[in-house]
Amino acid sequence: GAGVSQSPRYKVAKRGQDVALRCDPISGHVSLFWYQQALGQGPEFLTYFQNEAQLDKSGLPSDRFFAERPEGSVSTLKIQRTQQEDSAVYLCASSPQRSNQPQHFGDGTRLSIL
Amino acid sequence: AQRVTQPEKLLSVFKGAPVELKCNYSYSGSPELFWYVQYSRQRLQLLLRHISRESIKGFTADLNKGETSFHLKKPFAQEEDSAMYYCALSGYSTLTFGKGTMLLVSP
Repeated sequence: GAGVSQSPRYKVAKRGQDVALRCDPISGHVSLFWYQQALGQGPEFLTYFQNEAQLDKSGLPSDRFFAERPEGSVSTLKIQRTQQEDSAVYLCASSPQRSNQPQHFGDGTRLSIL
Repeated sequence: AQRVTQPEKLLSVFKGAPVELKCNYSYSGSPELFWYVQYSRQRLQLLLRHISRESIKGFTADLNKGETSFHLKKPFAQEEDSAMYYCALSGYSTLTFGKGTMLLVSP
């Protein structure tokens, strides 16, 4: 079956613009995670959903970052008033279980803020 | 706080040589540790997890609680092992990743 799908693959925006990144998890997966991966770094946790409930958003770097998963499947990560430091690869992962393993990752969205 | 340290950014070996990718962790509870791998132009994927105690593609990793380490080993490296390797620690709802080690296996 299809894996985790993320769109767009690449996004270029001007500083101050709002962006929205989409994640389609594997069908039926309960848990969904967002990570931010800066150049030369490992992925860093942003937020976690179990079905439609956002159970942990402790990794979101500021109130400009907002994530939702209204129907418990597709998720959107929104970044308002983007800054240059927001440039990174944003990874989405999903897991079939209520716990956080195993996680299946998407290809990521590479966001560049000019 | 949980933390994962991978001290080497790059490890370069010749084909057939042994490989050890180092990982140390800091965690107050009972850790669950993983190795993820990212091959060129592919997505991040799970390589192995310590609780399964299995060998994947010839790789093994043993959790050493005394040394708080989870090093990844392979006795004879192959060119197709060239990739980025990340050690990760599982907390309540998150994975904490190390910064990764690039393994380059030369012919």
